[in-house]
Amino acid sequence: DAKTTQPTSMDCAEGRAANLPCNHSTISGNEYVYWYRQIHSQGPQYIIHGLKNNETNEMASLIITEDRKSSTLILPHATLRDTAVYYCIVRPLFQGAQKLVFGQGTRLTINP
Amino acid sequence: DAGVTQSPTHLIKTRGQQVTLRCSPKSGHDTVSWYQQALGQGPQFIFQYYEEEERQRGNFPDRFSGHQFPNYSSELNVNALLLGDSALYLCASSTWVGGYGYTFGSGTRLTVV
Repeated sequence: DAKTTQPTSMDCAEGRAANLPCNHSTISGNEYVYWYRQIHSQGPQYIIHGLKNNETNEMASLIITEDRKSSTLILPHATLRDTAVYYCIVRPLFQGAQKLVFGQGTRLTINP
Repeated sequence: DAGVTQSPTHLIKTRGQQVTLRCSPKSGHDTVSWYQQALGQGPQFIFQYYEEEERQRGNFPDRFSGHQFPNYSSELNVNALLLGDSALYLCASSTWVGGYGYTFGSGTRLTVV
């Protein structure tokens, strides 16, 4: 079972910041928070990951609360191409035999 | 640099038949995982291969089997197809040691009629 809880769907206006919340209250000390997104009919795409500090890359920012029980993915200037299902996943950093456990994700719709 | 390549992109099979799906991992990756995604659901882990061995398996019946070749490419075989096997099958590659992200292919859409 997925260890994260996300809203089923969200809407955002084009050009505005999209803030996608994720609850992971049972996260372990060695588990990172990963975000992937899946655009219709494509495979999931890695966005960003973090442990406890805020992270930023060219795609998004990740804000993790101090107690690490929740996080927010921020798309600073959403475009229509950001319409997708966004998955929040927790798992240890290194691969090994660690699988990705997907939940239902958040269906984000960017409106013109 | 090519990413993960899956073939075929679409496939229609009849109940009871067998199917083989193929995956070439991203250059530099040595681990391949397979996922099944039913319509409207998140991907579900089937199994993972590293060094030509199945390393971890999800809750899927023995009808689902796989193989990894010395060049790290992989196959997913499904026997005795059921209507419920209709789904998008995703291949993801990664490195066994280190690294942090999986690279997914675009998937194979399997329809069982």
